[in-house]
Amino acid sequence: QQQVKQSPQSLIVQKGGISIINCAYENTAFDYFPWYQQFPGKGPALLIAIRPDVSEKKEGRFTISFNKSAKQFSLHIMDSQPGDSATYFCAANQAGTALIFGKGTTLSVSS
Amino acid sequence: DGGITQSPKYLFRKEGQNVTLSCEQNLNHDAMYWYRQDPGQGLRLIYYSQIVNDFQKGDIAEGYSVSREKKESFPLTVTSAQKNPTAFYLCASSIPGGPYEQYFGPGTRLTVT
Repeated sequence: QQQVKQSPQSLIVQKGGISIINCAYENTAFDYFPWYQQFPGKGPALLIAIRPDVSEKKEGRFTISFNKSAKQFSLHIMDSQPGDSATYFCAANQAGTALIFGKGTTLSVSS
Repeated sequence: DGGITQSPKYLFRKEGQNVTLSCEQNLNHDAMYWYRQDPGQGLRLIYYSQIVNDFQKGDIAEGYSVSREKKESFPLTVTSAQKNPTAFYLCASSIPGGPYEQYFGPGTRLTVT
């Protein structure tokens, strides 16, 4: 019940296209769902996060869509750029606990 | 500048030796975490601490030990009992209880031969 399942494992998108990464969780007590971006050899950095009281959150080209009934959330990157090429992790937790991470998606944006 | 520092960036050790990874933060966060990252495995929690002088095991604590004597510091010792210690180790910190965002350090890549 503590797992966060992320797909796909890798993704290749053309410059200007839309990148979509999906995550599913099991624990209905989770109440915070962030996405992290990680470049090779660096620590992950928070990209965008959502709480279950909203269905969508947008920050620039990045959007989280959240479906509470399906226990799924996804990251959409609009107008994908080569600089977006990185590994993306979804995560989830509930108050007072450590984040549980998905296994990551390696995104390559071709120019 | 506020942030989390991890040192060294690269660390090499011989099999059978214990090694301690440093993690320091000046964000005034009470909670600190250690994760291990392996290719295709995501980030797996080793230990976490919500307050000074207290810490809890994560999912993969076997072969590791930690201490939390100061709010700013959370060192991780990789012992010789850890069967596969070669990995990228990440330290993080947060305000406990919310808003839950964890800030990560730059990581230490440990290679044991």
